[in-house]
Amino acid sequence: DAGVIQSPRHEVTEMGQEVTLRCKPISGHNSLFWYRQTMMRGLELLIYFNNNVPIDDSGMPEDRFSAKMPNASFSTLKIQPSEPRDSAVYFCASSLGGRQNTEAFFGQGTRLTVV
Amino acid sequence: QKEVEQNSGPLSVPEGAIASLNCTYSDRGSQSFFWYRQYSGKSPELIMSIYSNGDKEDGRFTAQLNKASQYVSLLIRDSQPSDSATYLCAVKVLAGYSTLTFGKGTMLLVSP
Repeated sequence: DAGVIQSPRHEVTEMGQEVTLRCKPISGHNSLFWYRQTMMRGLELLIYFNNNVPIDDSGMPEDRFSAKMPNASFSTLKIQPSEPRDSAVYFCASSLGGRQNTEAFFGQGTRLTVV
Repeated sequence: QKEVEQNSGPLSVPEGAIASLNCTYSDRGSQSFFWYRQYSGKSPELIMSIYSNGDKEDGRFTAQLNKASQYVSLLIRDSQPSDSATYLCAVKVLAGYSTLTFGKGTMLLVSP
């Protein structure tokens, strides 16, 4: 398996623009996570899907952020409008099992810069 | 609120020495514990998991867990310059749908 695949790897956009990050989880994994990593705050969970259903979105910072998982093999994280403080590395991770004791595997991340 | 605390470092050790990385957590309901390694500019990768009190060894790595003290550690024996990275501690509560809570990581520098 190719692992968790994220696109794009790098994104530079202007403040106010819409940004869409994409993720393809490992085949067969039914849990998907979006994390944001910054130097100041470390790795923060934004949202967690289990079987394509959002289970916990308490980490989504504000209404400008939204996430979808239309099927088991694809998820998007959208920021509209984007702001400079959204600049960070965004990771998607997947695992097998929502309640089970399983590890999460990370994608390579998307480095977002909002200018 | 779940909290996972790590010393940010950097922790500097000479090549061949033992590196000791520590992590404390606040939620007594935490049942699963993971150590991830993250090289600069890369994504976190799992290196160890531990679920019960005591030690778990895997090659040069040993994870230690003490649930009574809410403490988990990672020992790296015979440290190599290639071990230089940030090590992230993560904990998980096995209650309903639970997720990993990460510490901010400890930077390890192994000098030749």
